[in-house]
Amino acid sequence: GESVGLHLPTLSVQEGDNSIINCAYSNSASDYFIWYKQESGKGPQFIIDIRSNMDKRQGQRVTVLLNKTVKHLSLQIAATQPGDSAVYFCAENAGGTSYGKLTFGQGTILTVHP
Amino acid sequence: EAGVTQFPSHSVIEKGQTVTLRCDPISGHDNLYWYRRVMGKEIKFLLHFVKESKQDESGMPNNRFLAERTGGTYSTLKVQPAELEDSGVYFCASSRKAFNYGYTFGSGTRLTVV
Repeated sequence: GESVGLHLPTLSVQEGDNSIINCAYSNSASDYFIWYKQESGKGPQFIIDIRSNMDKRQGQRVTVLLNKTVKHLSLQIAATQPGDSAVYFCAENAGGTSYGKLTFGQGTILTVHP
Repeated sequence: EAGVTQFPSHSVIEKGQTVTLRCDPISGHDNLYWYRRVMGKEIKFLLHFVKESKQDESGMPNNRFLAERTGGTYSTLKVQPAELEDSGVYFCASSRKAFNYGYTFGSGTRLTVV
């Protein structure tokens, strides 16, 4: 069935280190993927997205990698800062009649220590 | 531009009572979405409006939940009667086009049913 899951529920890093957050998805029909960041008391905030015709996309300090063969998505954060501490969610969209629907993963808690 | 606004930010009600949550999307955004996160689990889709029409309501859990978007502007989500398992954070999001490049989420309404 459709599901998006995360390998690690928590990740703790030192300031300045690079962080990698992983996500597995099971719906091979998904063609659009997003990473969201959620800070306490706020709604999810868009970080970066990638379409299924790509395997890598870079933003400012963030990179998303997509491996469709093994249905795996990752978010890399370079030079992690304390302000990056939050819960990170991956989400997928399969298009079609459900073009407005996102399926979210459980979330990974990222803690950055100064 | 103003973001997606939700209110109340918190609501505590007794089992069996009725609660109405409101969402004001970003002006000009035809697409409006409701999601919820229950018991620290993943964020789950409830429904998607395009203007005043329900495009996809496949995530609505049961007939105790009623969503409306009269006039295609703000939306309400009514829970009647509320049950304990309805406790969680209800998020609203909006987008201008039919799902491109992620939604903009509101800060959510934390609903506690006691």
